[in-house]
Amino acid sequence: DGGITQSPKYLFRKEGQNVTLSCEQNLNHDAMYWYRQDPGQGLRLIYYSQIVNDFQKGDIAEGYSVSREKKESFPLTVTSAQKNPTAFYLCATTDRVNQPQHFGDGTRLSIL
Amino acid sequence: EDQVTQSPEALRLQEGESSSLNCSYTVSGLRGLFWYRQDPGKGPEFLFTLYSAGEEKEKERLKATLTKKESFLHITAPKPEDSATYLCALGYGGSQGNLIFGKGTKLSVKP
Repeated sequence: DGGITQSPKYLFRKEGQNVTLSCEQNLNHDAMYWYRQDPGQGLRLIYYSQIVNDFQKGDIAEGYSVSREKKESFPLTVTSAQKNPTAFYLCATTDRVNQPQHFGDGTRLSIL
Repeated sequence: EDQVTQSPEALRLQEGESSSLNCSYTVSGLRGLFWYRQDPGKGPEFLFTLYSAGEEKEKERLKATLTKKESFLHITAPKPEDSATYLCALGYGGSQGNLIFGKGTKLSVKP
């Protein structure tokens, strides 16, 4: 079954803790993206990667880190430096520039 | 500054009452306008892509249109299952494929 899998669906972070959100795809898409969605706001780009072993900061990268060691995987780490991490996190992929991005079903991160 | 504005923020319709959602934009070199549907707790689901003014796309009760400054998502005879948040996103020149998203229109259709 082709698609984008995000896990876990819900995640809780303690003070001072780093947490990692998983995004896996079997669509063979080159480009992968991480967005943050807050109530009443549009999706905001955190990081993106257009090819394995390369990634760029988006508009709100502070307090986040990523890696792209495999084409299928683009994990996002929310570090303790991110002071307001409570949000809905979405991973997306696309096979070509100017083509639609396709999304996973998100991870909701909350603070304990 | 490149911007995308969606209106209204929320829209309540009775079943069968047709209406339109608006996405207005100011970007340099539009490279594609994308409409998505998002259900609560889910990721956005792709609906349509429009690339040039005058283009139209249809799917069931939805029809998307594009001018040089805005796009409309027309909903004809909506049903309760059409209730969702509808997002508009734009690709533009120099963006390396990145998209700008609007804040969305939350549509509620009552039976």
